[in-house]
Amino acid sequence: DTGVSQDPRHKITKRGQNVTFRCDPISEHNRLYWYRQTLGQGPEFLTYFQNEAQLEKSRLLSDRFSAERPKGSFSTLEIQRTEQGDSAMYLCASSQLTDGYTFGSGTRLTVV
Amino acid sequence: GEDVEQSLFLSVREGDSSVINCTYTDSSSTYLYWYKQEPGAGLQLLTYIFSNMDMKQDQRLTVLLNKKDKHLSLRIADTQTGDSAIYFCADYSGGGADGLTFGKGTHLIIQP
Repeated sequence: DTGVSQDPRHKITKRGQNVTFRCDPISEHNRLYWYRQTLGQGPEFLTYFQNEAQLEKSRLLSDRFSAERPKGSFSTLEIQRTEQGDSAMYLCASSQLTDGYTFGSGTRLTVV
Repeated sequence: GEDVEQSLFLSVREGDSSVINCTYTDSSSTYLYWYKQEPGAGLQLLTYIFSNMDMKQDQRLTVLLNKKDKHLSLRIADTQTGDSAIYFCADYSGGGADGLTFGKGTHLIIQP
């Protein structure tokens, strides 16, 4: 296992379009997190799964955002009707317990 | 709410020690982490410390925790050009749900 994989690495989309990102965590990790990082800021928590259950959603996650982890393995994050303010790096992380979250390389979204 | 504060920049000479400082407000933090982020990349876990410890050493890295003052530091001995990156402090308060709270990151600049 080579770590947490995210796809695509970069996405450019027009305002109003929908986009979907994928995250493949480390296979034995049952916890999966999505974070958003804007320029000059640290990552901000968006949502968290334990196995297939979505246990927590940040108030940053508007109704246009939805995340799934249908089989407790990979996860998808969808943004509907994208806005320019959605431009950011979207980071996925996984962990087994709290001994360290392993992050993927992120998906950089640019909304034009 | 919870807050994690870091200085934005630190400049050191190659070969010197770097000390990156962090303060946090959440008294229930159980784990504190240091992550490294190079340009365009995801976050790399450097080290973490459990809140009942006051020091942890791992090769060139030394973490000091003053729980009373809610102050965390990362010392990098014999700083090299490859250490140039943004370093993020993050805390975790337990409960499993909220993920990590990150600071804005410290840009470590290495002078030759």
